[in-house]
Amino acid sequence: QVQLVESGGGVVQPGQSPRLSCAASGFRFREYGMHWVRQAPGKGLEWVAAIWYDGSKKYYGDSVKGRFTISRDNSQNTLYLQMDSLRDDDTAVYYCARDGGSGTKQTYFDNWGQGTLVTVSS
Amino acid sequence: DVQMTQSPSSLSASVGDRVTITCRASQNINNYLTWYSQKPGRAPKVLIYAASSLQSGVPSRFSGSGSGTDFTLTINSLQPEDFATYYCQHSYSTLPLTFGPGTTVDLK
Repeated sequence: QVQLVESGGGVVQPGQSPRLSCAASGFRFREYGMHWVRQAPGKGLEWVAAIWYDGSKKYYGDSVKGRFTISRDNSQNTLYLQMDSLRDDDTAVYYCARDGGSGTKQTYFDNWGQGTLVTVSS
Repeated sequence: DVQMTQSPSSLSASVGDRVTITCRASQNINNYLTWYSQKPGRAPKVLIYAASSLQSGVPSRFSGSGSGTDFTLTINSLQPEDFATYYCQHSYSTLPLTFGPGTTVDLK
């Protein structure tokens, strides 16, 4: 079955640059677009970034544009999120999610990881 | 950006009730609308995509309708496992992909 496992979260200081990873299994990773979605404590869902199946196109939410970088390694079935210039308001659970609409015009998240908590605190 | 609103923000219901949640987009998004449920401490789970298509494995008591700017999620005969927060999300070509603020369904 589809499995997405995030790692790399923890307590980080403002300005630090952690990298999140998402290990994928149970499906042909190289055939799917992938996303990062985050959720601040007690808040709603916020889309963060997306990457095409082959890594050729990347998109970002306004709040992270210029600070975060999404990438993937299809040979390792792994998705990444490089987080630079972290701020307090980046504190959230970060989920990786598979694009269930890959190959169609719909973009939605049909499988999610369990999430990894990033806490930005000095 | 396409803004999404939901109503109500919360509701109380009993097992067996029929529950309706509304989602509105700030512009025409055709049928590019997805519904999710989320329980505390868990990842969201997709229920409905393309406004009215039931995701594989989701019980048939869940249904979605609407097109353009106004959408509805209906839960027929609410079950104990359905107490959760429900989010809509637009999947139209205009980025960013935005979610509604959520509707919490709790036990009356």
